[in-house]
Amino acid sequence: GENVEQHPSTLSVQEGDSAVIKCTYSDSASNYFPWYKQELGKRPQLIIDIRSNVGEKKDQRIAVTLNKTAKHFSLHITETQPEDSAVYFCAGVYNFNKFYFGSGTKLNVKP
Amino acid sequence: DVKVTQSSRYLVKRTGEKVFLECVQDMDHENMFWYRQDPGLGLRLIYFSYDVKMKEKGDIPEGYSVSREKKERFSLILESASTNQTSMYLCASSPRTGANEQYFGPGTRLTVT
Repeated sequence: GENVEQHPSTLSVQEGDSAVIKCTYSDSASNYFPWYKQELGKRPQLIIDIRSNVGEKKDQRIAVTLNKTAKHFSLHITETQPEDSAVYFCAGVYNFNKFYFGSGTKLNVKP
Repeated sequence: DVKVTQSSRYLVKRTGEKVFLECVQDMDHENMFWYRQDPGLGLRLIYFSYDVKMKEKGDIPEGYSVSREKKERFSLILESASTNQTSMYLCASSPRTGANEQYFGPGTRLTVT
């Protein structure tokens, strides 16, 4: 099956700086790569996703890039704000909606 | 607005008890999932179901079973709870068509003593 690795496990940035979280996947059949944000005590929620036929997608301050050849994808957050502090999960989706999640990155944005 | 609800936010059970965790979604989604969330391990899939009475094992099904008698309801059963099943349990649902966003419930924090 699929294996998704996520780095770093924790990330601390100053407000206004950029943050980058990286994931790698093992199965070339994976074709959908979502990113979820989980605030403390709350449920994970989708913030951005990318399909395998696209190399980059942007939504305001967040963007995701996908390199199919290298089997890695990344989340980029620019102009970070304290409300961006949360745990972020990447996922690779394989074989009919089966999600393989990374281990999570705890982002701390210092005011 | 999709709503996924779980029967309990917090649950404390004793070792050996049979435990039922219930999940209900109101969006007529075909797919439903049960995950457990542990620090440093992310979300690990226990079981999923893509139709009524259909189920498939995820990555960590040992010690768990599931039931889906109605489309909107997906139950996770711990046949004989053990302390290593102390965890946060998250239910999710999604429509079947292609790869789609999963909508999560609020989670159940289960403690087995």
